[in-house]
Amino acid sequence: KQEVTQIPAALSVPEGENLVLNCSFTDSAIYNLQWFRQDPGKGLTSLLLIQSSQREQTSGRLNASLDKSSGRSTLYIAASQPGDSATYLCAVVVYGGSQGNLIFGKGTKLSVKP
Amino acid sequence: KAGVTQTPRYLIKTRGQQVTLSCSPISGHRSVSWYQQTPGQGLQFLFEYFSETQRNKGNFPGRFSGRQFSNSRSEMNVSTLELGDSALYLCASSPTAGNTEAFFGQGTRLTVV
Repeated sequence: KQEVTQIPAALSVPEGENLVLNCSFTDSAIYNLQWFRQDPGKGLTSLLLIQSSQREQTSGRLNASLDKSSGRSTLYIAASQPGDSATYLCAVVVYGGSQGNLIFGKGTKLSVKP
Repeated sequence: KAGVTQTPRYLIKTRGQQVTLSCSPISGHRSVSWYQQTPGQGLQFLFEYFSETQRNKGNFPGRFSGRQFSNSRSEMNVSTLELGDSALYLCASSPTAGNTEAFFGQGTRLTVV
């Protein structure tokens, strides 16, 4: 059974700091890995999708890396802003089964202080 | 291009009642998946539909059911509601089944009293 872990569970940083969120998974047989952002009480916003053949993806101030062999992914946020405050979720994409196509970690709750 | 639309956004129901939630995927997307999100359990997979067929089902009791229509819109139904069914129900839309990028709606917040 695939398990996804995100560390830390919560993180508080001052504005302007660069930060790294971590995601680990137990089974390297994944198709893709997707990072999401969730604001309180809202749905999930897709940030980055990394195909299994890729090592990293970038979008603006965000950079996500994937190391399948070690079962790890990181989300790097540069020059953090208060508007980045949210919960960040990573999900590995597997194919079918009772866990579904997307298996999520519990998330990292990020707070960026002005 | 419109995103994933879930209706209603909020619901309050009494124990024992049933409820139906609706999800309209992004135009052209044929795969719809449903997830339950609670503070304790996080996001848990309910089921996935593709071309009106249920492809996968999570480990939820039979009170949870769903269907997909020919226009790809999907509904999920929960019968005999329990207090523990209170959660945010999220719908995800993808172009095809399997390993494609998923896009989520804003969710339906269900409160069972």
